[in-house]
Amino acid sequence: QQQVKQSPQSLIVQKGGISIINCAYENTAFDYFPWYQQFPGKGPALLIAIRPDVSEKKEGRFTISFNKSAKQFSLHIMDSQPGDSATYFCAASTRGGSQGNLIFGKGTKLSVKP
Amino acid sequence: DSGVTQTPKHLITATGQRVTLRCSPRSGDLSVYWYQQSLDQGLQFLIQYYNGEERAKGNILERFSAQQFPDLHSELNLSSLELGDSALYFCASSVDGTGLSKETQYFGPGTRLLVL
Repeated sequence: QQQVKQSPQSLIVQKGGISIINCAYENTAFDYFPWYQQFPGKGPALLIAIRPDVSEKKEGRFTISFNKSAKQFSLHIMDSQPGDSATYFCAASTRGGSQGNLIFGKGTKLSVKP
Repeated sequence: DSGVTQTPKHLITATGQRVTLRCSPRSGDLSVYWYQQSLDQGLQFLIQYYNGEERAKGNILERFSAQQFPDLHSELNLSSLELGDSALYFCASSVDGTGLSKETQYFGPGTRLLVL
């Protein structure tokens, strides 16, 4: 059972365009939603994270939109650049108990064309 | 550079063998997590240690085990290796306190395991 579903699997965007990646979750106990960026041969690196008590969080060109009632959240990359070409993973976890492990989506491979 | 180090970077071994992967967390981080990344399963949580104690277990096979030492470095032991164990193994660490910034998991560069 996949607890975090991510789409699309791959995405091609022109330079300067907006990249949008969507995720949906099932477990209503999740209360921490990070996005990770992974370049080939590297480990995932935190891009931006949100808690469900806010509907949007923006850091530079990256924005998370969160819809608690729909159990969905998305990553928007504004003014996409070729350097943004990477694989993006959404994730979720429950911070309130003793366990903090992340449940990851399957990933989206983003290619930004110059 | 995340500050998390993993060795070795690459490992090639044969079926039935046993290997040990090593991870050193960021300075000050008490929690260590192990993840497996494969093409078909994606990033899967294996196990978490906090200050030397096992805290959470995920999809970790019985052939796999881990421990965290007093200096907080961790080792993941994989035994009776099968072809399907070929994957990238990542270690992550976090402070594991309260507050969003303290919950961030920082990933190491990974160990690529190839079982022939």
